[in-house]
Amino acid sequence: TQLLEQSPQFLSIQEGENLTVYCNSSSVFSSLQWYRQEPGEGPVLLVTVVTGGEVKKLKRLTFQFGDARKDSSLHITAAQPGDTGLYLCAGGPQAGTALIFGKGTTLSVSS
Amino acid sequence: EAGVAQSPRYKIIEKRQSVAFWCNPISGHATLYWYQQILGQGPKLLIQFQNNGVVDDSQLPKDRFSAERLKGVDSTLKIQPAKLEDSAVYLCASSLTRGGTDTQYFGPGTRLTVL
Repeated sequence: TQLLEQSPQFLSIQEGENLTVYCNSSSVFSSLQWYRQEPGEGPVLLVTVVTGGEVKKLKRLTFQFGDARKDSSLHITAAQPGDTGLYLCAGGPQAGTALIFGKGTTLSVSS
Repeated sequence: EAGVAQSPRYKIIEKRQSVAFWCNPISGHATLYWYQQILGQGPKLLIQFQNNGVVDDSQLPKDRFSAERLKGVDSTLKIQPAKLEDSAVYLCASSLTRGGTDTQYFGPGTRLTVL
């Protein structure tokens, strides 16, 4: 069974700080996605990475896919209260199969 | 473009009762997913449909859970009888195709509480 381990599970920081969330697996994934989920809502896709070593930037968020396609990271620069939420990584083991989700990282940014 | 619709948004039932959830995916999306999200965890796939056929239901507790997508559009997920451990948010998602990198669009979910 393929698993995705996310760390840390909880993160509470002040506005303006930087942070990194990790997503690790012992298995290779064909693609990896990051979602953000707010209370009472479904997850919303932030980014999809498919190539080993790929780096994608979305404003203050930087996503990286490991060279071996087994791990990924999400880095947020100068966090803002609006970044508060549950961040989920999800992997597609093969094209056409459903996603496997990590347990998520709950981020709280206070002003 | 309308998003994925789910109803009801909240449901409270007693254990051993039955409950049904409804999902209407984005128009034209062939693939529909039902996920269970227990508090503090990521979503776990229950069942995946491609049009009106089941692609993956390996994690669906078939002794109590059932789902259908008869006309390949909207879908219903049923639990009968419910157990305390079924308390969770039930998320429906849809994607255009079965492509591994296809974006899955999620509905707001139905929060089920079993007392």
